Amino acid sequence: EDQVTQSPEALRLQEGESSSLNCSYTVSGLRGLFWYRQDPGKGPEFLFTLYSAGEEKEKERLKATLTKKESFLHITAPKPEDSATYLCAVQPPDSNYQLIWGAGTKLIIKP
Amino acid sequence: GAGVSQSPSNKVTEKGKDVELRCDPISGHTALYWYRQSLGQGLEFLIYFQGNSAPDKSGLPSDRFSAERTGGSVSTLTIQRTQQEDSAVYLCASSLGASSPLHFGNGTRLTVT
Repeated sequence: EDQVTQSPEALRLQEGESSSLNCSYTVSGLRGLFWYRQDPGKGPEFLFTLYSAGEEKEKERLKATLTKKESFLHITAPKPEDSATYLCAVQPPDSNYQLIWGAGTKLIIKP
Repeated sequence: GAGVSQSPSNKVTEKGKDVELRCDPISGHTALYWYRQSLGQGLEFLIYFQGNSAPDKSGLPSDRFSAERTGGSVSTLTIQRTQQEDSAVYLCASSLGASSPLHFGNGTRLTVT
């Protein structure tokens, strides 16, 4: 069964302390990997799409990378407003629209 | 422009009652999804609409759940004879097409007492 696993479940960092979130998947030949950010009481907000191993995308303090079996979301010098749950989703090769979602990593940045 | 709108934002209902959840997608988005989100779990796919095609209902957990999309726009998710295990946040998302990024509403938090 295709699975998406995110780690850690929760991460507490001091403001300015860089780190990475992991999204590993068992899907072979994925069509795309998506990162979303979700604030409490809100719906997920799209961040990045990655399509092939070696690809990287950046937005402000966030950088997403992709290998054949996992993706990393690197957070550089985070600020308290980066606190949120970060969700990863994988689109398998046999579907145009289905996504397999990870359970998310809750990131807390302390000032 | 306006994003995806869901109503109500919160719904408390008694076990056995029927509920209707509404979703107004972004104008021009042909694809519409319903997901269910429970604490500590990934988003659970419920149903997918694409244009005038037959919807993919494969994620609906039981025949108590149904959804429709009228005129290719507004969608309603109906849960009949609600059970306590139906308590969750129900999220609606729309997109320009099947493989495009999803735009989510803020969800309806359903509590069945």
